[in-house]
Amino acid sequence: NAGVMQNPRHLVRRRGQEARLRCSPMKGHSHVYWYRQLPEEGLKFMVYLQKENIIDESGMPKERFSAEFPKEGPSILRIQQVVRGDSAAYFCASSQARAQGSYEQYFGPGTRLTVT
Amino acid sequence: AQTVTQSQPEMSVQEAETVTLSCTYDTSESDYYLFWYKQPPSRQMILVIRQEAYKQQNATENRFSVNFQKAAKSFSLKISDSQLGDAAMYFCAYRESRGGSEKLVFGKGTKLTVNP
Repeated sequence: NAGVMQNPRHLVRRRGQEARLRCSPMKGHSHVYWYRQLPEEGLKFMVYLQKENIIDESGMPKERFSAEFPKEGPSILRIQQVVRGDSAAYFCASSQARAQGSYEQYFGPGTRLTVT
Repeated sequence: AQTVTQSQPEMSVQEAETVTLSCTYDTSESDYYLFWYKQPPSRQMILVIRQEAYKQQNATENRFSVNFQKAAKSFSLKISDSQLGDAAMYFCAYRESRGGSEKLVFGKGTKLTVNP
């Protein structure tokens, strides 16, 4: 059973470009979470999605950031017009639905975004 | 809002010795989950141990155990017989157990060094 997959692992963008980060959850998982880790910091929650629905986006910056989890395909975190302050590691996690009795989030290896 | 505090930015331990990492949290909820995650240099987030707040018994996973003091809102991690592979950043995390947000709230982490 493959774990949570994220790609790319490393992404370099110039200021003003767009960054697209992809996350494929573990098989059987219908919930996806995105977290951001700035240097020397813990992970900060950004957004929680289920298939075709954003459930909690309380941690998402109001501008330039968006996320989706379509019916088919991976979840996408999109950052438009990147700035240097967006440089960070972005982690995706997935979990089963609560009704299935599990509450653990399993993390992907992260995407390291560098904005030059 | 819930907060998680790890007061030890760095800790070190001799190989085969025991070390305890501290974590306190703030919440008005009575039911929740607590976790310890390990982040080695590869940056992969690995779940070490979890604790349900309604359980009085402290969780144990092989060499890892917790001291959960609900009234004091304290959740420390004890690593026994430390091994070189235990060297990593350790993050304490909190999550509500019912309804509402599924997000994990992380502390800033403790960097553990294991000396041979």
